[in-house]
Amino acid sequence: DVKVTQSSRYLVKRTGEKVFLECVQDMDHENMFWYRQDPGLGLRLIYFSYDVKMKEKGDIPEGYSVSREKKERFSLILESASTNQTSMYLCASSILAGVYEQYFGPGTRLTVT
Amino acid sequence: SQELEQSPQSLIVQEGKNLTINCTSSKTLYGLYWYKQKYGEGLIFLMMLQKGGEEKSHEKITAKLDEKKQQSSLHITASQPSHAGIYLCGAAKAAGNKLTFGGGTRVLVKP
Repeated sequence: DVKVTQSSRYLVKRTGEKVFLECVQDMDHENMFWYRQDPGLGLRLIYFSYDVKMKEKGDIPEGYSVSREKKERFSLILESASTNQTSMYLCASSILAGVYEQYFGPGTRLTVT
Repeated sequence: SQELEQSPQSLIVQEGKNLTINCTSSKTLYGLYWYKQKYGEGLIFLMMLQKGGEEKSHEKITAKLDEKKQQSSLHITASQPSHAGIYLCGAAKAAGNKLTFGGGTRVLVKP
């Protein structure tokens, strides 16, 4: 079974702090994704990566950056956390070719105070 | 960007009753995914539809994609408390696997 893990289930940070959210998948998937989920807005894509050191902006990249130094690991970085970044963050992975399902991690609920 | 509308936003059903969730797009979909999310947790893949008119079933859950590939429905027969959660539809624009999600439907099953 595919396993996608996220470094924390719950995280509380202060405004202005630099925040790292880590995601690791164990199935050698090429694609990795970061979403945020907010009530009434569904999931919105922040960034995705289709290969090591490759990244593309999603629908809402502002205020975020990402890093993919190894195939299995995709990090989301909040350079200076703000209260409007309080949200549920979900990581996912999939194989590259064709139309295949994305496998999701359990999510990180981030609160910025 | 491609917009997906889900309806209803929330649903309360009596255990044993059937329920249907709809997902509508303004554009033709390349692939349509249904996911379920337990409250506060990650998403679990249910089914993927790609062909117009396609229908898939797993246990008591059936998903359909219309011929025009712009609307999908998820139907649960004889609902149980284990069916409670948030159901999300996601659509692929093309073969690149980048998904756009609907707002979700929150389902509560009353025993």
